[in-house]
Amino acid sequence: GESVGLHLPTLSVQEGDNSIINCAYSNSASDYFIWYKQESGKGPQFIIDIRSNMDKRQGQRVTVLLNKTVKHLSLQIAATQPGDSAVYFCAENMDTGRRALTFGSGTRLQVQP
Amino acid sequence: SAVISQKPSRDICQRGTSLTIQCQVDSQVTMMFWYRQQPGQSLTLIATANQGSEATYESGFVIDKFPISRPNLTFSTLTVSNMSPEDSSIYLCSVESREQGGTLSSYEQYFGPGTRLTVT
Repeated sequence: GESVGLHLPTLSVQEGDNSIINCAYSNSASDYFIWYKQESGKGPQFIIDIRSNMDKRQGQRVTVLLNKTVKHLSLQIAATQPGDSAVYFCAENMDTGRRALTFGSGTRLQVQP
Repeated sequence: SAVISQKPSRDICQRGTSLTIQCQVDSQVTMMFWYRQQPGQSLTLIATANQGSEATYESGFVIDKFPISRPNLTFSTLTVSNMSPEDSSIYLCSVESREQGGTLSSYEQYFGPGTRLTVT
């Protein structure tokens, strides 16, 4: 079947290195942000979220940083593993009103063994 | 988190025909969404489907082309009507799972596995 992310920018890292995936979001009124991981043939998988009243949030091996001044979001993955290879999307929405997510364009992460 | 299933997982259809995609959730949810993901692209919202009301469509998507049903709080269908090759995409449903408590009140959205549609 056809893969997701054929035409997406690609980040290639060595196994064990840290990865940083960046995202510029569009709506200055957005106050909730999510990072998703999508493997080939699967739906997006929730990784971590952050609200606009925070600038950093940590999960297991992942950290999300939010810079509202420049409307920038990043996902840091520590000690990247081959299983982390996937397409990563950031998504944004507003806490009130429209509840659906607006997705960024995505980045393909390739982990080299 | 909610567990979401979709049927069919994939299909190959002839142009001019219609396909109905089913989305089943393991818990009651108020808000369900249908997205389209064209090959090599990101996700685009088609419509929001709330139980007991008409679906709300995004710009560029119309009810005649993508009729949606939402008969209860655990189920929805999306029909792709009068298909053309341009409708070849992955169609995904998602639900909003509202979790409150602690310092973060979140509205996490979870996705189904998607339906991969090819129109010939």
